[in-house]
Amino acid sequence: DADVTQTPRNRITKTGKRIMLECSQTKGHDRMYWYRQDPGLGLRLIYYSFDVKDINKGEISDGYSVSRQAQAKFSLSLESAIPNQTALYFCATSDFPTDTQYFGPGTRLTVL
Amino acid sequence: AQSVTQLGSHVSVSEGALVLLRCNYSSSVPPYLFWYVQYPNQGLQLLLKYTSAATLVKGINGFEAEFKKSETSFHLTKPSAHMSDAAEYFCAVSLSGGSNYKLTFGKGTLLTVNP
Repeated sequence: DADVTQTPRNRITKTGKRIMLECSQTKGHDRMYWYRQDPGLGLRLIYYSFDVKDINKGEISDGYSVSRQAQAKFSLSLESAIPNQTALYFCATSDFPTDTQYFGPGTRLTVL
Repeated sequence: AQSVTQLGSHVSVSEGALVLLRCNYSSSVPPYLFWYVQYPNQGLQLLLKYTSAATLVKGINGFEAEFKKSETSFHLTKPSAHMSDAAEYFCAVSLSGGSNYKLTFGKGTLLTVNP
């Protein structure tokens, strides 16, 4: 079984809809991250969490919110989806002090 | 603040040829540096990382990278390309030793390997 899983893997939604992307991990890591990937832009950090009570904005948090339900679960929500949020979304985890990040397989989101 | 610049968004090599993917970084403190690979329709996988030990770092699949502080570079190389190396490669930097660990990624380099 994969260490970092994301659901759904693909999602098509309409402008204005609320959508939630979920991430679960079995690596036992405290730190979790959400990134979006756009062609030619690399990965950009949306939110990160160092433990259940510690959630921080990344460089592109506008239009997104997160919830850390447990050490193993970190969800990303789009309250009112818009077309420019069409992207590939990745969840990642890491532990301290190795700081290596481990990525999930990604969720491809299309907002029409 | 930290940043990464990957020179060349697309690199094409022949099978068996040298692979060289360039990465330059900017960091206010000694950095940790990473190379990740993304195969089609997959997440990112760590190739190798530099964390202030040996400046020449060996990774998986025959890749290696050398940290050059004077040039602020961390270029990725492989002596002989294989068809299976075709993927997108990302260089990333983080600030070393801090409790606020975040990765900053470059924009990626797509490697094509021609038969």
